[in-house]
Amino acid sequence: ETGVTQSPTHLIKTRGQQVTLRCSSQSGHNTVSWYQQALGQGPQFIFQYYREEENGRGNFPPRFSGLQFPNYSSELNVNALELDDSALYLCASRNDRGQETQYFGPGTRLLVL
Amino acid sequence: RKEVEQDPGPFNVPEGATVAFNCTYSNSASQSFFWYRQDCRKEPKLLMSVYSSGNEDGRFTAQLNRASQYISLLIRDSKLSDSATYLCVVPFSSGSARQLTFGSGTQLTVLP
Repeated sequence: ETGVTQSPTHLIKTRGQQVTLRCSSQSGHNTVSWYQQALGQGPQFIFQYYREEENGRGNFPPRFSGLQFPNYSSELNVNALELDDSALYLCASRNDRGQETQYFGPGTRLLVL
Repeated sequence: RKEVEQDPGPFNVPEGATVAFNCTYSNSASQSFFWYRQDCRKEPKLLMSVYSSGNEDGRFTAQLNRASQYISLLIRDSKLSDSATYLCVVPFSSGSARQLTFGSGTQLTVLP
């Protein structure tokens, strides 16, 4: 177990709705990244949070937004859900002390109908 | 050209076989590389890190060719439990963030 937890595990929404996914990072890790993994593809980087600020973003529209809290836990919010948003959403944490390795949580599987 | 490209497979091999996966990357400045393993409907888990020419861990060997921008993963004496998708991963900097760029993965099934 990596110590990274995510909730909920599964979620079903309809087009146009909004969703919030949650992540608790591994103890001692202050950097959290979010990834989207569509079926049959590798994970795609959405954004990264460090010290409660977004410090990097992949090729995702503004309706994907996030937060990081003082305890380093994080949220991913997606507005105006589209069918193509159906995917596994993975949270990964690491520390900022030169360590490259990121540890993934079990993911939230989102289905948009 | 994709930033990280892998042969998608699938690879179906008998137990005990040796199998090799290839991966090419586009960013010549990349210094570190990873292989992650992902079981069906689970999260990716780190299998090996590669920082120099290669790395070996038991039955698993990763090799790096910087000139060709090519990474490989060799699995010897395959076990049924090796069945999974293997993801080639290259970190790079995006602003001040350190993001992982994943290949699409290579699916391996080890048959009894």
